[in-house]
Amino acid sequence: GENVEQHPSTLSVQEGDSAVIKCTYSDSASNYFPWYKQELGKGPQLIIDIRSNVGEKKDQRIAVTLNKTAKHFSLHITETQPEDSAVYFCAAWDSGGGADGLTFGKGTHLIIQP
Amino acid sequence: EADIYQTPRYLVIGTGKKITLECSQTMGHDKMYWYQQDPGMELHLIHYSYGVNSTEKGDLSSESTVSRIRTEHFPLTLESARPSHTSQYLCASYSGAGGYTFGSGTRLTVV
Repeated sequence: GENVEQHPSTLSVQEGDSAVIKCTYSDSASNYFPWYKQELGKGPQLIIDIRSNVGEKKDQRIAVTLNKTAKHFSLHITETQPEDSAVYFCAAWDSGGGADGLTFGKGTHLIIQP
Repeated sequence: EADIYQTPRYLVIGTGKKITLECSQTMGHDKMYWYQQDPGMELHLIHYSYGVNSTEKGDLSSESTVSRIRTEHFPLTLESARPSHTSQYLCASYSGAGGYTFGSGTRLTVV
């Protein structure tokens, strides 16, 4: 099955700076990579995703990049704001063995310092 | 606007009690999932379903059970709650395209 590694586990940045969270995956057949944001007391919410036929995708201050050869993908948040403080999860779609579904990274706690 | 609902949001219950955590979705999704989230944030898949009358165990062994009698309803039951079951439980559904939709979770405390 798929294995997703996520780094760092905690990231603290100054408000206005950029934040980057990195993930690697093991199954070269995975073709869908979503990112989730989980705020305190809530369930994870999809914020951006990318498919394997695309190298980069951007939505306002957030962007995701995918390197299929190296099997890694990253979330980039620019001009960070206090409301960006949350736990972020990367995931990869695993269609082989076990549950046909997403395999999640362990999460990154992003802290925006005022 | 959440289309997947979990109740209760918070539950404190004594050891040995039987409990059912409710999860309902109004989107007609076939695939549904239950995750247990530990204080360290990590999401552990404990049960999933591909549709009515389909239930499977996930990666993390769990003493809970699930049922899927109706497409929109995927309840999780603990026959005899223990302090080790204290955790956040998240339900999710999948349309077949895009990512999962998660509920807001149930925070369970067993005393």
